[in-house]
Amino acid sequence: EAGVAQSPRYKIIEKRQSVAFWCNPISGHATLYWYQQILGQGPKLLIQFQNNGVVDDSQLPKDRFSAERLKGVDSTLKIQPAKLEDSAVYLCASSTRTGLSPLHFGNGTRLTVT
Amino acid sequence: AQSVTQLDSQVPVFEEAPVELRCNYSSSVSVYLFWYVQYPNQGLQLLLKYLSGSTLVESINGFEAEFNKSQTSFHLRKPSVHISDTAEYFCAVTYAGNTPLVFGKGTRLSVIA
Repeated sequence: EAGVAQSPRYKIIEKRQSVAFWCNPISGHATLYWYQQILGQGPKLLIQFQNNGVVDDSQLPKDRFSAERLKGVDSTLKIQPAKLEDSAVYLCASSTRTGLSPLHFGNGTRLTVT
Repeated sequence: AQSVTQLDSQVPVFEEAPVELRCNYSSSVSVYLFWYVQYPNQGLQLLLKYLSGSTLVESINGFEAEFNKSQTSFHLRKPSVHISDTAEYFCAVTYAGNTPLVFGKGTRLSVIA
């Protein structure tokens, strides 16, 4: 099966600019996650979707971050405006359902904010 | 709040030597534990998991981890490592199966020829 696809692979922007990341999960996976992984730390959940509804966005900085999953398939994560501390790898993952199903991760988008 | 502590950020080890990567979690009644591995330039992938039953779980490439409730630990071990095991290893936990997966900070395993 095809894996989780993410684009772009790398992105460099200046602070206060906006940026968007795209994710295409594994076909048939109802649950989609966005994680932020800052250098030297483990992935931190930003938002979790079940189909096209939000299950958990408690750690999403909603003043600057937004995410959507139209039609319950692809998802985009946007940052506007970006700050230096947003420099990180943004990981998308999907699973067949919530709970104990294994997460399948994409290769991530490495964002550098200068 | 649930948390995971990986005690070592980097572990260098010679090829064919044994290795243990340590993981401790905050205690809870129902806990489910995972090890994920990230090879260079690749995404994270599941290595093994403990959901219930036998406290010793194994992966297909020779790693094993033991769930120790009294020590609140889930250490990862391999009796003889290969160069290809060089990667970053993440311990993760979810409680009652319906809370978000929480990851540790990761341990970078470097296998030296």
